[in-house]
Amino acid sequence: AQTVTQSQPEMSVQEAETVTLSCTYDTSESDYYLFWYKQPPSRQMILVIRQEAYKQQNATENRFSVNFQKAAKSFSLKISDSQLGDAAMYFCAFKYGGATNKLIFGTGTLLAVQP
Amino acid sequence: EAGVVQSPRYKIIEKKQPVAFWCNPISGHNTLYWYLQNLGQGPELLIRYENEEAVDDSQLPKDRFSAERLKGVDSTLKIQPAELGDSAVYLCASSLGQGQSSGANVLTFGAGSRLTVL
Repeated sequence: AQTVTQSQPEMSVQEAETVTLSCTYDTSESDYYLFWYKQPPSRQMILVIRQEAYKQQNATENRFSVNFQKAAKSFSLKISDSQLGDAAMYFCAFKYGGATNKLIFGTGTLLAVQP
Repeated sequence: EAGVVQSPRYKIIEKKQPVAFWCNPISGHNTLYWYLQNLGQGPELLIRYENEEAVDDSQLPKDRFSAERLKGVDSTLKIQPAELGDSAVYLCASSLGQGQSSGANVLTFGAGSRLTVL
């Protein structure tokens, strides 16, 4: 079974600094997708960034980027120039490729941003 | 375009009472998900629908939980009777339908329904 592990229950970063959130996963599949979702205190889960496993290039969305290491099954999220609004719970998630629509989440990392 | 709509946002009930949650997905999204999120944890899938068919309900406690998605649009999740351990947030999400490239489909989540069982 596929599993997603986030080993950092909590992280803290100073405003304007950079922080990296870790995620590892376990799968025997070669076709899959990885996601980072953000869940602010209002609890609406929002997509931050998505990575296709077949792409070697790391995905980037403005201040958010990933370091995707397929062989190591690692998928970390880097937040640059952290802002107060980045404070939230961040979930790493795994999704099969092909014809299924199942999304599996990690346990989350609570990010605090210090002014 | 309206997002995924859930109601109620908050519900407080006494144990052994029934409760129901409603979800309206994004128009055109054939896949609908119900997730359970305990405090400080990641969401766990309860049930996934492709149109009106429940294609993955292996994690749904069928002795007390039930779900339906009539006409392949709105969905209702019911708990009867509720237990203290059911206190959690129930998230609904939707995405484009299952198919060859569905791995790329992004889930859009609703705001969730927070249940407190006393």
